[in-house]
Order: sequence, then structure tokens, then C-alpha cells
Amino acid sequence: EAGVAQSPRYKIIEKRQSVAFWCNPISGHATLYWYQQILGQGPKLLIQFQNNGVVDDSQLPKDRFSAERLKGVDSTLKIQPAKLEDSAVYLCASSLRLAGTGELFFGEGSRLTVL
Amino acid sequence: AQRVTQPEKLLSVFKGAPVELKCNYSYSGSPELFWYVQYSRQRLQLLLRHISRESIKGFTADLNKGETSFHLKKPFAQEEDSAMYYCALTNSGGYQKVTFGTGTKLQVIP
Repeated sequence: EAGVAQSPRYKIIEKRQSVAFWCNPISGHATLYWYQQILGQGPKLLIQFQNNGVVDDSQLPKDRFSAERLKGVDSTLKIQPAKLEDSAVYLCASSLRLAGTGELFFGEGSRLTVL
Repeated sequence: AQRVTQPEKLLSVFKGAPVELKCNYSYSGSPELFWYVQYSRQRLQLLLRHISRESIKGFTADLNKGETSFHLKKPFAQEEDSAMYYCALTNSGGYQKVTFGTGTKLQVIP
């Protein structure tokens, strides 16, 4: 079974530039998550999709971050304009279950450095 | 609101010594608790979940609702256990929102 795919693995940009990250979840997984992991911290949920609908985006800085999941499969997370504090690893995860004790499967992450 | 606290950023133990990684949580309902692990250069992955009451790679974790804790234990540490460990909590109903702690780095000294 193919795992969660993310790209790019690494990205370096200057502040005020824009960047986009792509995620392809495991086939058949209805729930997709984007987490932000700043160095030394745990993953922080940015947005959660159920199929192509958003179920939680309460911690997404909507003035600069946006995400979509067209057709309920792969997803894109965009940052525009980027700030220094956006430097982090952006993790995508997917799960089979809508609720309960479903396991999250993570991608390798996209490491963003903002200069 | 759901919250997970891991008080130790780093835990160093000698090979063969017992390990206990602490996790406390805050949640008003009935939570589901997990431990995730990230080995060097690998992706974050599930280690164990409390509902399964399983032992994985010698690790166990017991949910103590009175103390709101879910500590991870292993009687004899191995070098290959060195990794980042994250405690996580999810709500038991509705959509599954998973909240992670800040993580503890376990360093097993040969």
C-alpha cells in the first residue's frame, strides 16, 4: 500500500513570497489533515478535511494560509505571504475513519524555511 | 478544549534500564489516547493506542482516568528505542480531531 505522498520535501523562500505544498493521501482515506510542526514543538492541526469539506480550520491563519481538497482526494496548502514564523515542517496525514479510534498515517513532511 | 502535556523534552536512560515517558491530558469527554513515534529520518507513525491494550516493541501504556494520564512504559530500554515520542488524544465522538503533545526525545545510552 502506497503511503501519504508530499511535495516538495524542502522549500526555501524569502518573507512575503508565496509557497504551496501538495499532499496525496492513501487511497480510500476520507479524512485528510494538515499539521504545522515548528522546531521543538508537537504537530499543531491547521486544517482537517472530510472528503472535500472542511471540518476544522479553527487554527488556520486564514489571512495568509489557505487549503483546498478538490474532488476529495489530494490537497494543497498555500501560504501567501510567508512570514519568518512560518518556518516549520508541514505534515500531511490521512485516516480511514471519520471518528473514533482510526490511526493517522503521515507523510514525510515538507520543510519550509523562510528567510 | 483538548490538551496534551508531555513534561519532559528529553529523557536519557541507559540500555537495559526501565523507561517511563509521561503524558497527561485534559479533555471533558471520554478520550481515545495514542502514542506516536518518530525514528530518525522516518515519518511519524502510530506506536500504540490505549483501546487496544496491546504491547508493541515491549512498550505498554495504561490510561488512568483519575490522574488523566497515559504514561508510556518499557521495562528494559534498547538502543533502537531512541526516538521522538508524541502522546496524542482524540475525541470519542463526531469527527476525529487529533491533538498532539510537544514530544519527548528518548535517548538510550549504550
